[in-house]
Amino acid sequence: KAGVTQTPRYLIKTRGQQVTLSCSPISGHRSVSWYQQTPGQGLQFLFEYFSETQRNKGNFPGRFSGRQFSNSRSEMNVSTLELGDSALYLCASSFRAGGPGELFFGEGSRLTVL
Amino acid sequence: AQSVTQLGSHVSVSEGALVLLRCNYSSSVPPYLFWYVQYPNQGLQLLLKYTTGATLVKGINGFEAEFKKSETSFHLTKPSAHMSDAAEYFCAVSDGAAGNKLTFGGGTRVLVKP
Repeated sequence: KAGVTQTPRYLIKTRGQQVTLSCSPISGHRSVSWYQQTPGQGLQFLFEYFSETQRNKGNFPGRFSGRQFSNSRSEMNVSTLELGDSALYLCASSFRAGGPGELFFGEGSRLTVL
Repeated sequence: AQSVTQLGSHVSVSEGALVLLRCNYSSSVPPYLFWYVQYPNQGLQLLLKYTTGATLVKGINGFEAEFKKSETSFHLTKPSAHMSDAAEYFCAVSDGAAGNKLTFGGGTRVLVKP
């Protein structure tokens, strides 16, 4: 059974640009969550999607957005990139929305903003 | 609001020695508690979780954790460290109602000395 797949794994952008990250969940999983990991702030919840609907959102500015498609694949977008957006972005999938289900994490997309 | 505190950002243990990683949480509702491990350049992998019932939880790779409500703690232990245990460990809490939103601690990086 394939795991959670995130693309691209590494990318470099400059300030002001926008970026789109993709996440393919484990087959059969309908919940996709996104987390940002930085050395300073640690792991922070961005948002969760279930059946194409955003169920929960973390405390991030509106520049961060996401969506989920009918096949459960998800994308997140960051517009007007800032240096502080440099981070590892982790996607996690789960069979259901709501705890205490296990989250299965991808290897992440490492974004560097110059 | 929930919060998680992990005491010690770095822990060094000798191979074969006890591994003890401390986690204290704050939650206004009965929590779901998790320990995740992250190896370099990888995503997070679930070690174990507490939902309800038995307070001593056994996980993968010989790890276990005990939920102590009176102390609001969920410390992770392993009787005998192995070189392969070198990684970063994260404690997390969820109230279950907020979907798959986890609040993570700051992480503890474990170094295993031969």
